[in-house]
Amino acid sequence: SQQGEEDPQALSIQEGENATMNCSYKTSINNLQWYRQNSGRGLVHLILIRSNEREKHSGRLRVTLDTSKKSSSLLITASRAADTASYFCATESRDDKIIFGKGTRLHILP
Amino acid sequence: NAGVTQTPKFQVLKTGQSMTLQCAQDMNHNSMYWYRQDPGMGLRLIYYSASEGTTDKGEVPNGYNVSRLNKREFSLRLESAAPSQTSVYFCAIRPTTGGSPLHFGNGTRLTVT
Repeated sequence: SQQGEEDPQALSIQEGENATMNCSYKTSINNLQWYRQNSGRGLVHLILIRSNEREKHSGRLRVTLDTSKKSSSLLITASRAADTASYFCATESRDDKIIFGKGTRLHILP
Repeated sequence: NAGVTQTPKFQVLKTGQSMTLQCAQDMNHNSMYWYRQDPGMGLRLIYYSASEGTTDKGEVPNGYNVSRLNKREFSLRLESAAPSQTSVYFCAIRPTTGGSPLHFGNGTRLTVT
């Protein structure tokens, strides 16, 4: 089974609102990564947080990591129409595997 | 996506046929990965190569073989295609293992009838 599981599976919000997506995983990790995918194209890396970090920021993105709960969240602030996409978390374990979750489909309403 | 070239972009096979998906990179990265993406399933790791000369199984390796031909190229072979292998296949690369993100190609859309 896949390591990461995102929640919710789908999310629709008004433009300008904040969007929060969650990711849970099962085993110990070296780091956790978030990616975005537009319309079935290749994924684009957004942010990486290491297992000894608790929070990381990049522009309008904020990622948190709680290794005791084996969970992470991605917050997108002040959403825009261009943020409409699927978002995936991926966990990297000690054997260099990078395993993806099923993703959250985000739709920003005008 | 600059740096990772996947060929072909589209392919239709009949059950039992074989084919090789090609992935080539010009970024001099050590690690290369093959994923498949089915609707609603996210990406599943098929095989990966941490460095030239090494390959390892991922989550769903059955029905596939890989070859890390050199540092630039990592091919995925279907010896006897099955309808269950209908999917979009993505190749991804990264500089090295341990904490660097993946850079993806644009995918190969494969249909097996």
